[in-house]
Amino acid sequence: GAVVSQHPSRVICKSGTSVKIECRSLDFQATTMFWYRQFPKQSLMLMATSNEGSKATYEQGVEKDKFLINHASLTLSTLTVTSAHPEDSSFYICSATPGSYEQYFGPGTRLTVT
Amino acid sequence: DAKTTQPNSMESNEEEPVHLPCNHSTISGTDYIHWYRQLPSQGPEYVIHGLTSNVNNRMASLAIAEDRKSSTLILHRATLRDAAVYYCILDSNSNSGYALNFGKGTSLLVTP
Repeated sequence: GAVVSQHPSRVICKSGTSVKIECRSLDFQATTMFWYRQFPKQSLMLMATSNEGSKATYEQGVEKDKFLINHASLTLSTLTVTSAHPEDSSFYICSATPGSYEQYFGPGTRLTVT
Repeated sequence: DAKTTQPNSMESNEEEPVHLPCNHSTISGTDYIHWYRQLPSQGPEYVIHGLTSNVNNRMASLAIAEDRKSSTLILHRATLRDAAVYYCILDSNSNSGYALNFGKGTSLLVTP
């Protein structure tokens, strides 16, 4: 099946700093990628939909100025958590679809803000 | 979005079949039934999907009730590697061009 990678897999940062997470579709082109967040013992919650070449669409309650999303190419989307705080500590997961019925998920990025 | 209801957790013995139920009484005629699973500390992975007919693939089988108000994911022989959270998701777009609405899922424990 198709592969989606995320980098880094784990990151620890200090409160107030920014962190960038990359999501790449390795063997297919994805016009749309999705960003989810998952807190411990909870389900995945959609944060935003990222479309190549256009602005991302954010879900209600997700601050677009805090979670910057850039979808610069058909194989790369980035999520930047700006001015991170401990409450932003979470498991961030991206997904992409080549247009088929399957969505392919990345392995996730564990963010810890100290 | 139509809602799904799954048991919070289930337990199975290794090499036994597992039947994971999902209720979706408000399903619409265009909703596809998707199953994904998430292993610990990993992103979800696609398992199977169907519309009306039962489906089989190398990972599992999907049995869909005739009235489509419920479905069952069948793992024919559970292994320890099948321990995961299984999500039953309704999606009206067969091409999954839309984000998936994950519920709480069923946490499957497989014991040796």
